[in-house]
Amino acid sequence: GESVGLHLPTLSVQEGDNSIINCAYSNSASDYFIWYKQESGKGPQFIIDIRSNMDKRQGQRVTVLLNKTVKHLSLQIAATQPGDSAVYFCADPGGSNYKLTFGKGTLLTVNP
Amino acid sequence: GAGVSQSPSNKVTEKGKDVELRCDPISGHTALYWYRQSLGQGLEFLIYFQGNSAPDKSGLPSDRFSAERTGGSVSTLTIQRTQQEDSAVYLCASSLVQGSGYTFGSGTRLTVV
Repeated sequence: GESVGLHLPTLSVQEGDNSIINCAYSNSASDYFIWYKQESGKGPQFIIDIRSNMDKRQGQRVTVLLNKTVKHLSLQIAATQPGDSAVYFCADPGGSNYKLTFGKGTLLTVNP
Repeated sequence: GAGVSQSPSNKVTEKGKDVELRCDPISGHTALYWYRQSLGQGLEFLIYFQGNSAPDKSGLPSDRFSAERTGGSVSTLTIQRTQQEDSAVYLCASSLVQGSGYTFGSGTRLTVV
């Protein structure tokens, strides 16, 4: 079935390094993607989104890249900080336009 | 309010009991969603409300689960005759428009013993 999935379940980086979290999707009709950050005991928090008419979008210390050819997107976090430690999910509303499909998430651990 | 509020934050119940989980969406948000997150898993869609339209209940796992939204605002998710496999974090989200700008609450952690 259609799904949004993540390549790596865990990622450990040193404070100050850049982090890259990857996500693959299978629904070629997907045209909108969202990255969420979830800290322990909290709900997912919106980080950044991107529509399929874009290849790249930048926010504060975060960049999302979308490669529609291989159906892959990535979240890049610059100068990773301990506060960035969390589980990161990509999500896609899919053809329903509202029913988000989430991957299992990548756990990012930032070592001081 | 400033965010999506869910209550209780934690609920421990005995197997077979009924539970009600409450969600207060952001004021003015017409769309409201319930998701379930099991330990170490991604989020599983349960139900979607949009204004006065009939809800999309396609994600409810069994007829023990039901949800309502009164007055287009507060929503209650009810689980009847709880089972141990119902143990999870139940998350509510709302959005101003369908399909974007979702804001999640902190969830209700349900433990069935």
